[in-house]
Amino acid sequence: LAKTTQPISMDSYEGQEVNITCSHNNIATNDYITWYQQFPSQGPRFIIQGYKTKVTNEVASLFIPADRKSSTLSLPRVSLSDTAVYYCLVGSRDSNYQLIWGAGTKLIIKP
Amino acid sequence: IAGITQAPTSQILAAGRRMTLRCTQDMRHNAMYWYRQDLGLGLRLIHYSNTAGTTGKGEVPDGYSVSRANTDDFPLTLASAVPSQTSVYFCASSVETNTEAFFGQGTRLTVV
Repeated sequence: LAKTTQPISMDSYEGQEVNITCSHNNIATNDYITWYQQFPSQGPRFIIQGYKTKVTNEVASLFIPADRKSSTLSLPRVSLSDTAVYYCLVGSRDSNYQLIWGAGTKLIIKP
Repeated sequence: IAGITQAPTSQILAAGRRMTLRCTQDMRHNAMYWYRQDLGLGLRLIHYSNTAGTTGKGEVPDGYSVSRANTDDFPLTLASAVPSQTSVYFCASSVETNTEAFFGQGTRLTVV
């Protein structure tokens, strides 16, 4: 099972770009990298998923270097409402595979 | 509104009682999951189902059972609740295994 390591917490300010890095040294060939956001008292919400290089959607970008041993979630111009816990998960789409959720990164955005 | 619905929203349950948490999705997703989340921790997978008629054990299956009689419903049953099962339970679904998952609003269960 691919294990991930991410910072426990991060602070930033409104309007800044925030980058959260996740380490996954034993990522397997078939593994994808997925990020979720969770607000208090809510279920997680999918942000982005990627396999290699760069993926961008309307809310974030995901940068994956060639060796795929780490990935960086980039949130452009954050606002107070981006304060949440962010989870990095690594796993394949094999039907018997179970994603392992770590404790995530608690991101606090200050005014 | 399409999505995934859990019931009840919260419940206080006496230890030893049987309880079923309900989960229904209307997105025709193949895969469904049950997670528990304890305070300050990440989610832990209890059981999953890759398609109707099949189920599998997750990381923490003991004390829980599930069934998947059809595509839409994935109930989670606690046969005899214990205080260590006090947690927030999230149901989720995805088109296929480990693709974008959609989560319910959660069920806060307290076993006393």
